[in-house]
Amino acid sequence: DVKVTQSSRYLVKRTGEKVFLECVQDMDHENMFWYRQDPGLGLRLIYFSYDVKMKEKGDIPEGYSVSREKKERFSLILESASTNQTSMYLCASSLWGSGRGEQFFGPGTRLTVL
Amino acid sequence: SQQGEEDPQALSIQEGENATMNCSYKTSINNLQWYRQNSGRGLVHLILIRSNEREKHSGRLRVTLDTSKKSSSLLITASRAADTASYFCATDAGGGGADGLTFGKGTHLIIQP
Repeated sequence: DVKVTQSSRYLVKRTGEKVFLECVQDMDHENMFWYRQDPGLGLRLIYFSYDVKMKEKGDIPEGYSVSREKKERFSLILESASTNQTSMYLCASSLWGSGRGEQFFGPGTRLTVL
Repeated sequence: SQQGEEDPQALSIQEGENATMNCSYKTSINNLQWYRQNSGRGLVHLILIRSNEREKHSGRLRVTLDTSKKSSSLLITASRAADTASYFCATDAGGGGADGLTFGKGTHLIIQP
């Protein structure tokens, strides 16, 4: 079974802190994604990556950056956390190739920025 | 940008009844997927239906797709308390999921025992 793990289930940070959210998948998937989920807004794509060192902006990249140095690991970075980044962050991965849109999600990190 | 929109936003039914959720979307798609999310957890993939398919079954799940109306429905038959969750439709407009899925806001389903 595909397993996607995220470094923390719950995280509390202060405004202005630099925050790293880590995601690791064990199925050699090419694609990896970061979403945030907010009540009433559903899931919104922040960034995705289709290969090592490659990254693409999603719908809401402002205030975030990402890093993919190894195929299995995709990190989301909040350079200077703000209270409006309090949210549930979900990482996902999928195989490359047409017709294979199924994504496998991690358990999520609930981030609170005070 | 949000593409899929689920309807209703919330649904409460008795155990054993069937639950139907609908999803509408705006642009052409390669496939449409349904996911389930239990409270405070990650999403779990349920079923994928390709744009050239009209109906698909998986256990107690039945999904239909009408590309002319840009809509899909998810039917859960003989519901159980464990089906209580949020259900999301997601559309794949890119190749192989490389562009990310576009999710709706979800239908919160409550199964009353």
